[in-house]
Amino acid sequence: GENVEQHPSTLSVQEGDSAVIKCTYSDSASNYFPWYKQELGKRPQLIIDIRSNVGEKKDQRIAVTLNKTAKHFSLHITETQPEDSAVYFCAARFTGTASKLTFGTGTRLQVTL
Amino acid sequence: GAGVSQTPSNKVTEKGKYVELRCDPISGHTALYWYRQSLGQGPEFLIYFQGTGAADDSGLPNDRFFAVRPEGSVSTLKIQRTERGDSAVYLCASSLTHAGYNEQFFGPGTRLTVL
Repeated sequence: GENVEQHPSTLSVQEGDSAVIKCTYSDSASNYFPWYKQELGKRPQLIIDIRSNVGEKKDQRIAVTLNKTAKHFSLHITETQPEDSAVYFCAARFTGTASKLTFGTGTRLQVTL
Repeated sequence: GAGVSQTPSNKVTEKGKYVELRCDPISGHTALYWYRQSLGQGPEFLIYFQGTGAADDSGLPNDRFFAVRPEGSVSTLKIQRTERGDSAVYLCASSLTHAGYNEQFFGPGTRLTVL
């Protein structure tokens, strides 16, 4: 069935270091992979997304890479700042499921001073 | 403009009661989604509307759950005979259309607690 696995579940980095979060998906025909950031008690917000016809996308300190052969995609945050502390969710849209998203279980990122 | 709004923000009810959760999508968005988020988990898909019709309700856990969107805008998620296991944050999202790669914008959620 449709499944997205996400690792690690928690990640602690020092301010200024990089953070990497990895996800794998089950359906090789998936075509869209968004990443959401959710601060405590708040709504998930899209921070970056990538389509299946692209291998990498970057937006300032955030980048996402996609390896379709291995069926995994990763979020990279460089020069982390305390305000990056939040829970990050990856998601995938599986072909044939219209626009519904299947989410990973989340990564709690803590950026320490 | 205004984002997705949901009411109430919190709902406490007793086991066996009926509840309704409301979602106001972004104006002009034709696609509307309901997700459920349990503690420490990612959002889990429940149902999706394109316009007034439910295009995919495969995520509804059982027949106690039902959702409507009669005029293609506001949607109501209805839960009958609530159970303690229904306790979660219910998130609503909307997007411009269901097609393409349109971003899903989430509401703040309704935290449902079933005692």
